[in-house]
Amino acid sequence: DSGVTQTPKHLITATGQRVTLRCSPRSGDLSVYWYQQSLDQGLQFLIQYYNGEERAKGNILERFSAQQFPDLHSELNLSSLELGDSALYFCASSVDPGDTQYFGPGTRLTVL
Amino acid sequence: AQTVTQSQPEMSVQEAETVTLSCTYDTSESDYYLFWYKQPPSRQMILVIRQEAYKQQNATENRFSVNFQKAAKSFSLKISDSQLGDAAMYFCAPNAGGTSYGKLTFGQGTILTVHP
Repeated sequence: DSGVTQTPKHLITATGQRVTLRCSPRSGDLSVYWYQQSLDQGLQFLIQYYNGEERAKGNILERFSAQQFPDLHSELNLSSLELGDSALYFCASSVDPGDTQYFGPGTRLTVL
Repeated sequence: AQTVTQSQPEMSVQEAETVTLSCTYDTSESDYYLFWYKQPPSRQMILVIRQEAYKQQNATENRFSVNFQKAAKSFSLKISDSQLGDAAMYFCAPNAGGTSYGKLTFGQGTILTVHP
């Protein structure tokens, strides 16, 4: 158990819908990262937050947004969902940016 | 763009034997970390080992060790005394954007099969 929690574990929804994925970092970790793992794109970095502020952006679509709250938990919002958004979404956390990242169990999103 | 190449899509090893997984990467940073993660069938991402680029000494973690060649931008993982539980997908992931940011760039992965 890495200490990073993600909810829900599984999510099945329809095209055009909106979903929210939630992540709670390890106690003491200030940085949160979101990654997407899909069959065709592999593991890709989406976005990073550090102590409530956006720190870096990767290949995140405009339909996707995220935030980190004062209690340091983070949410990833995915809207206008398409079939191609089906993937495993990981949250990871670290004490400082650049430090070792510990991954949550992931949320498996299926868009039908 | 940073790139990470794992040239072995699949590897296999006999139980108790040694296997080496290869990784090369591209970065212009001088200070960064490199990681190997394993992903078993449960899909959980599990940290295997970490190497700091400024350290000349190769990292070791029990049966896992790395061969880090900074000039060649090469970072291979050696697994000694392989066990059935080592069977997984292995990802090389340098923090090639520098230690200030933490973005991990992942290779395509190497599937390791361990034969009893």
